[in-house]
Amino acid sequence: AQKITQTQPGMFVQEKEAVTLDCTYDTSDPSYGLFWYKQPSSGEMIFLIYQGSYDQQNATEGRYSLNFQKARKSANLVISASQLGDSAMYFCAMREVTARQLTFGSGTQLTVLP
Amino acid sequence: DAGVTQSPTHLIKTRGQQVTLRCSPKSGHDTVSWYQQALGQGPQFIFQYYEEEERQRGNFPDRFSGHQFPNYSSELNVNALLLGDSALYLCASSYGHQSFYQPQHFGDGTRLSIL
Repeated sequence: AQKITQTQPGMFVQEKEAVTLDCTYDTSDPSYGLFWYKQPSSGEMIFLIYQGSYDQQNATEGRYSLNFQKARKSANLVISASQLGDSAMYFCAMREVTARQLTFGSGTQLTVLP
Repeated sequence: DAGVTQSPTHLIKTRGQQVTLRCSPKSGHDTVSWYQQALGQGPQFIFQYYEEEERQRGNFPDRFSGHQFPNYSSELNVNALLLGDSALYLCASSYGHQSFYQPQHFGDGTRLSIL
């Protein structure tokens, strides 16, 4: 079974608008971490934001925020005030306490339109 | 503060050959993980090294092997290359191999093409 599901292969957003990228996950571990990474066409994976399973508040990092709904097993990334430089592939990933690796979703290609 | 560095950037090999990819972790990090990313897919975990030992391995054949040196740098070796090994190979470093809340920081990757 897929542990991380990203159902939006591609998304378009107008510059300066907000966009939400969806991510659902599946785990039986009570402790886990959820991560979002950005991958420009150059290939580097850039860490954006982290949410722990026990964190009471949604994580925020600058223009990035994570809409964490634990009961629904969803961890959506919200990008506010989109910029042209935000155009990239975005990956949701999870690390369970029993595992050492990150498990990634299939990604969402975001294109910001001028 | 140097981030994760990988070499080489690009590599072209033929089937049956062997290849070695190199990674230097971010300063202060002691754990190195390797991932394979095929075109259009998310990265897949190959293995993780901590204290010079392989701590966990993903679903990859033993043609894939690695090593970690005392300075925490790491190598990924792939023997008997197949066409399907063509991919972007990403190295990620972190502090503390058991800290699931620590983000892994990635290098720019090595793009391997098999002819």
